[in-house]
Amino acid sequence: KAGVTQTPRYLIKTRGQQVTLSCSPISGHRSVSWYQQTPGQGLQFLFEYFSETQRNKGNFPGRFSGRQFSNSRSEMNVSTLELGDSALYLCASSYGTRGPDTQYFGPGTRLTVL
Amino acid sequence: DAKTTQPNSMESNEEEPVHLPCNHSTISGTDYIHWYRQLPSQGPEYVIHGLTSNVNNRMASLAIAEDRKSSTLILHRATLRDAAVYYCIPANYGGSQGNLIFGKGTKLSVKP
Repeated sequence: KAGVTQTPRYLIKTRGQQVTLSCSPISGHRSVSWYQQTPGQGLQFLFEYFSETQRNKGNFPGRFSGRQFSNSRSEMNVSTLELGDSALYLCASSYGTRGPDTQYFGPGTRLTVL
Repeated sequence: DAKTTQPNSMESNEEEPVHLPCNHSTISGTDYIHWYRQLPSQGPEYVIHGLTSNVNNRMASLAIAEDRKSSTLILHRATLRDAAVYYCIPANYGGSQGNLIFGKGTKLSVKP
C-alpha cells in the first residue's frame, strides 16, 4: 500500500505571497490532519478534515485554511505569508473512525519564507 | 488535554534495552496512551498505544502504571535506526479525532 504523499517537498516563497500544499492520503483513509513543525514550537496541530468537512481545528490564524476533496486528497493554503510561517508542514491520514486510530504521516513539505 | 513530561534526551548502546519514561499525571480515564517517533528528516511514525494493560508489538512494548499516571516505552534491543525523537501522547477519542498533541519528546541517541 502506498504511503502518504505530499507535494511539493520543498518550497520557497516571499513574504506576502500565498502557498498551497497538497496531501494524498493512504487509500481507504478518510481523515487527513495537518501539522506545522518548527524548532521553537515543535509539532502543532492545524486542522483535520474528514469526509470533506473540517472536523477539528487548532489555534492558528485564519490565514491558514484547508479543504478536502471527495477522493480524500487534501490541500492547505496559507495566505499573506509571514517569515514565521517557515516550517515543515506535515499531513497525516487515518481511517478517522472512533477509537484509537493510527495516524500515518507523510514526509512533509519544507516551506521557506524569505 | 493531559500534560506529559518526558526527559529531553537519553542515550543507549546498540543492542541494549531502552526504557523511555513518560509522566502523564493528569490523564483522564478514557485517554489512550500513544507513542510516536520521528526519525531524522522524516514525519512521525506510530510505535504503539495502550489503555490500561501492557502492550507488545513487533516494534516495542508499552508498560502502563496501575494508576495510569505514567508509562514506559521499552525497546528491547536498540539499533542505530531507533535513534529518533519519541513522543508520548495521551489521546481521547470521545470527540477530538485526528488531533494529536505533541510535546517536546525525548531525543534518543544510540551508540554503536
